[in-house]
Amino acid sequence: GNSVTQMEGPVTLSEEAFLTINCTYTATGYPSLFWYVQYPGEGLQLLLKATKADDKGSNKGFEATYRKETTSFHLEKGSVQVSDSAVYFCALRGGSNYKLTFGKGTLLTVNP
Amino acid sequence: GAVVSQHPSRVICKSGTSVKIECRSLDFQATTMFWYRQFPKKSLMLMATSNEGSKATYEQGVEKDKFLINHASLTLSTLTVTSAHPEDSSFYICSATEGINQPQHFGDGTRLSIL
Repeated sequence: GNSVTQMEGPVTLSEEAFLTINCTYTATGYPSLFWYVQYPGEGLQLLLKATKADDKGSNKGFEATYRKETTSFHLEKGSVQVSDSAVYFCALRGGSNYKLTFGKGTLLTVNP
Repeated sequence: GAVVSQHPSRVICKSGTSVKIECRSLDFQATTMFWYRQFPKKSLMLMATSNEGSKATYEQGVEKDKFLINHASLTLSTLTVTSAHPEDSSFYICSATEGINQPQHFGDGTRLSIL
């Protein structure tokens, strides 16, 4: 079956630091990959996505590249802000299945 | 665009009561809606998938008589937690999608607390 493994947090960074949150996946076929962000007390918001190999999703300074050879979709941002503090979920959707498979989430805290 | 509204955002009620949570897609037609449960500091657990006009498909281990799902229109799905007990206390989140190649858009969640 499908699965997503992302680095366990929590991750604590200073403002303007470089961020990487690792995500690897196992899936049959050619899944679509997503990063979602959850701010405290809220639902999930789609941060970025990639639907095929070598696609790069980007939004709000965050980037992730769909690497089929390493089955990875690592999230990066060059300079984090305090407002980026949230839980980040990597997810995949495989083939004809609507269902999303989520990683366990990574809590990011950015200190001023 | 692609806004999903979930209501209420928070509910506190006594054990034994039933609670209804609404999930609406405000600016698109949601052929499929999903209901998730999220435990503290944990990932989202898919409870069920509902397609407009048909019965919901429940994930293994989820009691369909406990968690009633109705998806009567392309913009509204409801989850009713029947005879709620303290162990049902959780954060419930819905999502909606226009179709198979479209992303899921999430509501802001409902914090359910059963006393």
